Amino acid sequence: DIQMTQSPASLSASLGETVTIECRASEDIYSNLAWYQQKPGNSPQLLIYDANSLADGVPSRFSGSGSGTQYSLKINSLQSEDVASYFCQQYNNYPYTFGAGTKLELK
Amino acid sequence: EVQLVETGGGLVQPGNSLKLSCATSGFTFSTAWMNWIRQTPGKRLEWLAQIEDKSNNYFISYLESVKGRFTISRDDSKSSVYLQMNNLKEEDTAIYYCSSTTVVTGVMDAWGQGASVTVSS
Repeated sequence: DIQMTQSPASLSASLGETVTIECRASEDIYSNLAWYQQKPGNSPQLLIYDANSLADGVPSRFSGSGSGTQYSLKINSLQSEDVASYFCQQYNNYPYTFGAGTKLELK
Repeated sequence: EVQLVETGGGLVQPGNSLKLSCATSGFTFSTAWMNWIRQTPGKRLEWLAQIEDKSNNYFISYLESVKGRFTISRDDSKSSVYLQMNNLKEEDTAIYYCSSTTVVTGVMDAWGQGASVTVSS
């Protein structure tokens, strides 16, 4: 199975700041990577797919990048509503696998 | 509006069975691939199963560790997907989500609110 290693596990940032979350795959996943946001008490919601394509309705302050085994999610100008956990997921191979998540809090 | 609503969760003793249902609306269910994913008490997400659409002969994929115990199925006439779980173990305790894949294979583009399953004696 492909292992997805996410970092950091938790992150504290101020409003307006830019934050970056990293995700590393144990093998090349050819940009078959999605990012999900899970707000407290809610189910995960799709943010980005194919490593850098924004899902419908997702604010443009979110962006994804990367290739091969290294990927990142960037949030520009952090807003209070961005407080959530973020998960990466590879869909290059079965079984689909997720990173352990990054919990983002406001400083 | 896309909606997925899971039902059927609850408290069950080890070794027993439970069947989860997921009713959907707001998208073309018959051409969607459907998934079940669970979130453990430690918040880890684990993909469990996927069922493709009729054009792909309803092909099914499972996480190896649940193959033989869990069965995914769908009823296109009811826009619903199901997860039959047998011989449940304490480590199956989790929130179970159904999700749809309508745009890119493998991408969970919509999720339900989740059904809580607790396996305990």
